[in-house]
Amino acid sequence: EVELVQSGAEVKKPGESLKISCKGSAYTFTTFWIGWVRQMPGKGLEWMGIIYPGDSDTRYSPSFQGQVTISADKSINTAYLHWSSLKASDTAMYFCATLVVEGGYFNYWGQGTPLTVSS
Amino acid sequence: SYELTQPPSVSVPPGQTARITCSGDALPKQYAYWYQQKPGQAPVLVIYKDSERPSGIPGRFSGSSSGTTVTLTISGVQAEDEADYYCQSADSSGTNYVFGTGTKVTVL
Repeated sequence: EVELVQSGAEVKKPGESLKISCKGSAYTFTTFWIGWVRQMPGKGLEWMGIIYPGDSDTRYSPSFQGQVTISADKSINTAYLHWSSLKASDTAMYFCATLVVEGGYFNYWGQGTPLTVSS
Repeated sequence: SYELTQPPSVSVPPGQTARITCSGDALPKQYAYWYQQKPGQAPVLVIYKDSERPSGIPGRFSGSSSGTTVTLTISGVQAEDEADYYCQSADSSGTNYVFGTGTKVTVL
């Protein structure tokens, strides 16, 4: 069964940098694109962007372009979400998920990484 | 930017039918998908390509599409169906994905 395991909870200060990870297993990592989804406290799901691990082709939601960087290392079956300078408004749960491009939907999800940004 | 609109909440007695709508201008052109999210958990896909059900999803979940509105129907609602439900699709270009505003289903 496809599994995505995300890195653990993070507590950071405004201005700090951070990279969280999403490791895939039980499938060929280049089979699916990987997407990142934000869920702010008590709010809905927001698509942030996607990456194809095979060649690192990346697409961002206009709302998140320039705010985060998505990358992947296919040699270790891992995708990443990176912030260079965190803000308090980045406090949220972040999910990774595999994307079926032909349909445009997310079929397998990671467990989520909670991020708290506070001074 | 493109938006998918859902009712904030739906309440239904156990055994009855819950219907959740999702409206968006590009829905006649793009497939819709539905996810169930229980508190503290990751979303789970319950309907894909408007009306297809993934393996392992109970038959009481079904989807339909008509024009700019898609509908998730839960027939014979059970207590375990209490959750948030999100539709998801793409804009008319197919390059940007979007989630609906979400609907909280309460089983009375």
